[in-house]
Amino acid sequence: NAGVMQNPRHLVRRRGQEARLRCSPMKGHSHVYWYRQLPEEGLKFMVYLQKENIIDESGMPKERFSAEFPKEGPSILRIQQVVRGDSAAYFCASSPIGYAEAFFGQGTRLTVV
Amino acid sequence: GESVGLHLPTLSVQEGDNSIINCAYSNSASDYFIWYKQESGKGPQFIIDIRSNMDKRQGQRVTVLLNKTVKHLSLQIAATQPGDSAVYFCADASGNTPLVFGKGTRLSVIA
Repeated sequence: NAGVMQNPRHLVRRRGQEARLRCSPMKGHSHVYWYRQLPEEGLKFMVYLQKENIIDESGMPKERFSAEFPKEGPSILRIQQVVRGDSAAYFCASSPIGYAEAFFGQGTRLTVV
Repeated sequence: GESVGLHLPTLSVQEGDNSIINCAYSNSASDYFIWYKQESGKGPQFIIDIRSNMDKRQGQRVTVLLNKTVKHLSLQIAATQPGDSAVYFCADASGNTPLVFGKGTRLSVIA
């Protein structure tokens, strides 16, 4: 049973470009969470999605950030018009039921140049 | 607001010694906690969890203690090994909210 798969592992974008981060949850998991981690800091919750629904987006910036988890395919975290401050590691986690123990992927490290 | 925090940002331990990592929480209603280990360049990995109906839970070389009176929990690692070097996070997994992580403690094992 493969774990949570995130791609790409590393992503470099110029300021103003769009970044798309993908997350495939563990098999049988329909709940996905996105977290952001700055260097030497903890993980900050961004958004919680269940298939085709956003359950909680209280941690996601109102501008430029969006997330989706379609019926088919991976969850996507999209950052439009990236700025240097968006540089961080973005982690996806999944769980079989809501708010339960979550299993994390290896993360996508976004660098904005 | 509610928070989960750690007392020490770094901890250096001699190989073979025991490690103790502490965590404080502020929400007295919190009833479920998880400890995660994050190695460099990797995602957090579940180590052990504990619910509020327990004071202590043991795993392989790890023990978590929960003191609800002072809202404190600790992670004890026995016979610390170089492979234990990582950042350790406690997370509040209570209720209908996503995991709330503390800042983390970096454990360095000295050979």
